[in-house]
Amino acid sequence: IAGITQAPTSQILAAGRRMTLRCTQDMRHNAMYWYRQDLGLGLRLIHYSNTAGTTGKGEVPDGYSVSRANTDDFPLTLASAVPSQTSVYFCASSGTSGGANVLTFGAGSRLTVL
Amino acid sequence: GQNIDQPTEMTATEGAIVQINCTYQTSGFNGLFWYQQHAGEAPTFLSYNVLDGLEEKGRFSSFLSRSKGYSYLLLKELQMKDSASYLCAVPDSNYQLIWGAGTKLIIKP
Repeated sequence: IAGITQAPTSQILAAGRRMTLRCTQDMRHNAMYWYRQDLGLGLRLIHYSNTAGTTGKGEVPDGYSVSRANTDDFPLTLASAVPSQTSVYFCASSGTSGGANVLTFGAGSRLTVL
Repeated sequence: GQNIDQPTEMTATEGAIVQINCTYQTSGFNGLFWYQQHAGEAPTFLSYNVLDGLEEKGRFSSFLSRSKGYSYLLLKELQMKDSASYLCAVPDSNYQLIWGAGTKLIIKP
């Protein structure tokens, strides 16, 4: 593992099903994030975690939950998927570079809800 | 509230120079970021500006004017591999990034 690993890469899901997107980092970053990216819109923050054991709500948290049991893992769960949750999901973590809090992103998980 | 505006799409020629603008409105200011995102890939960090002026990093430079709520990314000696979306982002009051929709840059030979 180098950086951030997301799984699955792609998934087609029936509406109403439960789905967990996995995210693991090996950089020992304290802060982690989940974003969704939709065509024509900027990245939108779903949930974040500033450190293991804490989580917070972002701009679009409804329908999603997260947990942060340890530093490395930050799974995102859709309890009952709906078509509007069709999107590309990016997990990220942040460390400092030259005084800036720089995000490192995973490769993304493309989710289609039918 | 906070708002970020960028042009949706720009086209430039290989070898030329292009300037991608970003205007923002924030209640406070904690720096401005530029990221590059190739199609189908994750965003990657390009630059961070917190003080006014131009920061040069190889072929890429980023400019900030805090009084005008304005930044631009300047790409010189354009290469085909520079075809990507360029994302502007600023932290909100909770230090979480607010992102522009991105500018898709198309490079033509």
